[in-house]
Amino acid sequence: GESVGLHLPTLSVQEGDNSIINCAYSNSASDYFIWYKQESGKGPQFIIDIRSNMDKRQGQRVTVLLNKTVKHLSLQIAATQPGDSAVYFCAEMGDGLTFGKGTHLIIQP
Amino acid sequence: DVKVTQSSRYLVKRTGEKVFLECVQDMDHENMFWYRQDPGLGLRLIYFSYDVKMKEKGDIPEGYSVSREKKERFSLILESASTNQTSMYLCASSLIGPVGVSNQPQHFGDGTRLSIL
Repeated sequence: GESVGLHLPTLSVQEGDNSIINCAYSNSASDYFIWYKQESGKGPQFIIDIRSNMDKRQGQRVTVLLNKTVKHLSLQIAATQPGDSAVYFCAEMGDGLTFGKGTHLIIQP
Repeated sequence: DVKVTQSSRYLVKRTGEKVFLECVQDMDHENMFWYRQDPGLGLRLIYFSYDVKMKEKGDIPEGYSVSREKKERFSLILESASTNQTSMYLCASSLIGPVGVSNQPQHFGDGTRLSIL
């Protein structure tokens, strides 16, 4: 069954605001997590990853937070831009890599 | 940057045909994967390979086979295409992590949208 999921199928944000995309996972043994971005007509693109010995990792305009206590993962995008419009999904590495179904991020002008 | 190239972006085939989907990666990755992506179902693993001539079944291997004769190339074969195999097919590759288990990110190609008529 589905062990990785997202709280919202669609998220609409104003251009320039910060976006927060959430993900819940169920396998407490998972030790590696990845966020992907998939634009229309393209394959998933690696954004950022985090290992279970960390609770926060920052990239360029993106931050991933990991809360192992409640098995929750989030992706924060700062100053959202039109080019951020895509489907975002998380993946967990437990017994193989399991993907969530994705959140469609829509940017309002 | 990692480059995973799938030979076709769009493909239309007929029921019963044998279909080959090709994937090549240029980063000397040990692991290669084939997924299908369907609305509402997300990414589902069909087969993967962790070395030349090695293959492992994923979650939905039925109706498919794979071939890995060279490290950089991983082929997906639909033995006798059926309409329920109409889908987006994604190839990915990754390094093996230091403990022999893949804890490295998978890098994807842009997909092949396959229609079976």
